[in-house]
Amino acid sequence: EPEVTQTPSHQVTQMGQEVILRCVPISNHLYFYWYRQILGQKVEFLVSFYNNEISEKSEIFDDQFSVERPDGSNFTLKIRSTKLEDSAMYFCASSERGRVNEQFFGPGTRLTVL
Amino acid sequence: QKEVEQDPGPLSVPEGAIVSLNCTYSNSAFQYFMWYRQYSRKGPELLMYTYSSGNKEDGRFTAQVDKSSKYISLFIRDSQPSDSATYLCAMSTNNAGNMLTFGGGTRLMVKP
Repeated sequence: EPEVTQTPSHQVTQMGQEVILRCVPISNHLYFYWYRQILGQKVEFLVSFYNNEISEKSEIFDDQFSVERPDGSNFTLKIRSTKLEDSAMYFCASSERGRVNEQFFGPGTRLTVL
Repeated sequence: QKEVEQDPGPLSVPEGAIVSLNCTYSNSAFQYFMWYRQYSRKGPELLMYTYSSGNKEDGRFTAQVDKSSKYISLFIRDSQPSDSATYLCAMSTNNAGNMLTFGGGTRLMVKP
């Protein structure tokens, strides 16, 4: 069964450093998302992406964040200058045309900012 | 008032019991309702998807939506220890970005 994959599974970084989280969405899906979950808190929407541009972004997704689809398979989230409060699980999700709200999530990347 | 609310639990039931999980919401614009299962430190796994009001059944799972009461439910029949997880409800309006709004999750423990 096709699935969303994410790398790395765990990323440790120093405050102020740049990180790139990588995702490979399900191959026939056209809509891509990033969510995050701070330990013990709700899953929160960050950004949605379709047709090589951002469709919607939340207040969390400020100028420190960016997304890119560098090729036909990868979808990345970059945090330019990490803060302690960026420590969280970051989930990538994807959905297909006509079923956009049925979003399939990857296993997540645990980001720890020291 | 929080947009989507769930009782955090934990909800502990014996194996074979019928489980009822619920969410309430405040935004009447929500039209799409999902249930996800999340094991500890894993990604949410989509279980059920419902559009607008009504019931949907898939195996041991039944999802119900009552838009007039702003209340959704997930029923699990013949619960198994492997059902032990956190169950998240999620909702979406008919928005361009397809943003999902999640509840905080209910932790379920099914005891053998």
